[in-house]
Amino acid sequence: SQTIHQWPATLVQPVGSPLSLECTVEGTSNPNLYWYRQAAGRGLQLLFYSVGIGQISSEVPQNLSASRPQDRQFILSSKKLLLSDSGFYLCAWSVPGTVGTSPLHFGNGTRLTVT
Amino acid sequence: DAKTTQPTSMDCAEGRAANLPCNHSTISGNEYVYWYRQIHSQGPQYIIHGLKNNETNEMASLIITEDRKSSTLILPHATLRDTAVYYCIVRVFFGGSNYKLTFGKGTLLTVNP
Repeated sequence: SQTIHQWPATLVQPVGSPLSLECTVEGTSNPNLYWYRQAAGRGLQLLFYSVGIGQISSEVPQNLSASRPQDRQFILSSKKLLLSDSGFYLCAWSVPGTVGTSPLHFGNGTRLTVT
Repeated sequence: DAKTTQPTSMDCAEGRAANLPCNHSTISGNEYVYWYRQIHSQGPQYIIHGLKNNETNEMASLIITEDRKSSTLILPHATLRDTAVYYCIVRVFFGGSNYKLTFGKGTLLTVNP
């Protein structure tokens, strides 16, 4: 069966420090991968998605970047965190090429607090 | 992107059916409707999805109107553990048969004892 792992679960970082959040998926090949962010009291915002190694699409211009160095690994990064980067970060995956039959599967998220 | 409209919040008594409405009047013919829920501080959980036929699984039923402009998620016997934010989402293609989901603010369902 497929599983998705995100870490760390919680993170407190000072303003201006770098960030690296990692997400890995097991049990499937060539998944679509996604990074979402949820600010306090708001809905989920799609940040990045990837359909393959090295292929990253950005939904919202921001202080963050994403990379996919391996098929089932998705990394969210920042060189210098801002206070506005605080939020709940969620990684998700879906099976590509299965029209209408594959939902998104989410990890348990990372709660980031920038101080 | 097809947009969805949901009530901000709803209440339901434990043991009764919870009916959560969603409007998606701009949905296209090949776009699916997905429902997820999110319990506080957890990742969203997939519930059900459909195109035009009604669907049922072990968690819920999905009723889609004939014109596909609205749908209703039904939790047949709500429990306290069903208290969560419920998201109605229309899938959007972004290339080939790949797609993404755009989440709104959802409906906070509170199940009361």
